[in-house]
Amino acid sequence: GENVEQHPSTLSVQEGDSAVIKCTYSDSASNYFPWYKQELGKRPQLIIDIRSNVGEKKDQRIAVTLNKTAKHFSLHITETQPEDSAVYFCAARFILDMRFGAGTRLTVKP
Amino acid sequence: KAGVTQTPRYLIKTRGQQVTLSCSPISGHRSVSWYQQTPGQGLQFLFEYFSETQRNKGNFPGRFSGRQFSNSRSEMNVSTLELGDSALYLCASSLADFSYNEQFFGPGTRLTVL
Repeated sequence: GENVEQHPSTLSVQEGDSAVIKCTYSDSASNYFPWYKQELGKRPQLIIDIRSNVGEKKDQRIAVTLNKTAKHFSLHITETQPEDSAVYFCAARFILDMRFGAGTRLTVKP
Repeated sequence: KAGVTQTPRYLIKTRGQQVTLSCSPISGHRSVSWYQQTPGQGLQFLFEYFSETQRNKGNFPGRFSGRQFSNSRSEMNVSTLELGDSALYLCASSLADFSYNEQFFGPGTRLTVL
């Protein structure tokens, strides 16, 4: 059925390194792909999003790439900092709803 | 501008009861979406309301329902509560379609069903 798969489930990096989180989706009609950051005990916050007519989008240290043919999109965080530690969720807009990946717990070690 | 607010923040109910949760969107936002977040199932979309109409609905049983008022405030109702309904319920508001406008989440209502 329609789904969004996210990998890895946990990711630990050293401060200053890059982090990459990948998601795949099943519905070729999906046209909107947001990424959310959720710190412990807090609400999810949109950090970046991309639409299907764009292949890449960048906002300072964060970038998202989209490959519509392969139906996958990725979040790239460069020069990671301890405050980047959180759970990151990808999502894809399907025809009737929004589906989320299971989340990636990112830990940035100082 | 005030953010999205949800009431109550915490709720404890017993099986078989019903519950109503409330969400007040950011002023000027007309779209409200509801999500269920659990450790096992992650974030799952419940439904989206826009201008008092349910526009989209996730894969949840009919025990889950909602509505939106003319001031864009929204409520969701869960009837005949089950243990598995224990979760954090988040609402999010956006100007219009959340495919084209950023969604802002509320702090959530943590529901515990005993």
